[in-house]
Amino acid sequence: GIQVEQSPPDLILQEGANSTLRCNFSDSVNNLQWFHQNPWGQLINLFYIPSGTKQNGRLSATTVATERYSLLYISSSQTTDSGVYFCAVYRVDSNYQLIWGAGTKLIIKP
Amino acid sequence: NAGVMQNPRHLVRRRGQEARLRCSPMKGHSHVYWYRQLPEEGLKFMVYLQKENIIDESGMPKERFSAEFPKEGPSILRIQQVVRGDSAAYFCASSPLSGNEQFFGPGTRLTVL
Repeated sequence: GIQVEQSPPDLILQEGANSTLRCNFSDSVNNLQWFHQNPWGQLINLFYIPSGTKQNGRLSATTVATERYSLLYISSSQTTDSGVYFCAVYRVDSNYQLIWGAGTKLIIKP
Repeated sequence: NAGVMQNPRHLVRRRGQEARLRCSPMKGHSHVYWYRQLPEEGLKFMVYLQKENIIDESGMPKERFSAEFPKEGPSILRIQQVVRGDSAAYFCASSPLSGNEQFFGPGTRLTVL
């Protein structure tokens, strides 16, 4: 089955720093979502991005479907950005079944 | 417009008891998905339902687990005779159509003693 790999697994930064999180997937996908799981466990939708670039405030995402990767950029980090960032893809043969990476755990220190 | 609702948020059961998890999708969404998350891992797909129909239950264990989404009321994920290995966070998501962006509820954290 399709594999989703995220890097780095852990990231510790000072407030104000920028970061880039990567998601590689092993096969063609229909679509891709980025999520933030906050320290209380809630999943927050960040981007729904099959290809191209989208921006939302300090966050932006780029998916290059032909090369099977997506990047999440976080600029001017705040302590509230802490948590786990997940990438999940929709398989081509199953457009509803999300396949998840293991996540990048981000800690922003004040 | 309320988001996806799940209850209870926390559930404690002893081995052998039944666990019933409820999910109310977002207004206008008729597609519901259940996922399970073990500690320090990503989510794993369990089952996909539309109103009164199970579309895909390939990720759900064949025994002890069942799911429904009746014409009226929330979707229910039922786990019979729970074991310690069932301890996990169970998330429900909904979408207006299959293949659309999925929106997640806050999850139910099940602890089996």
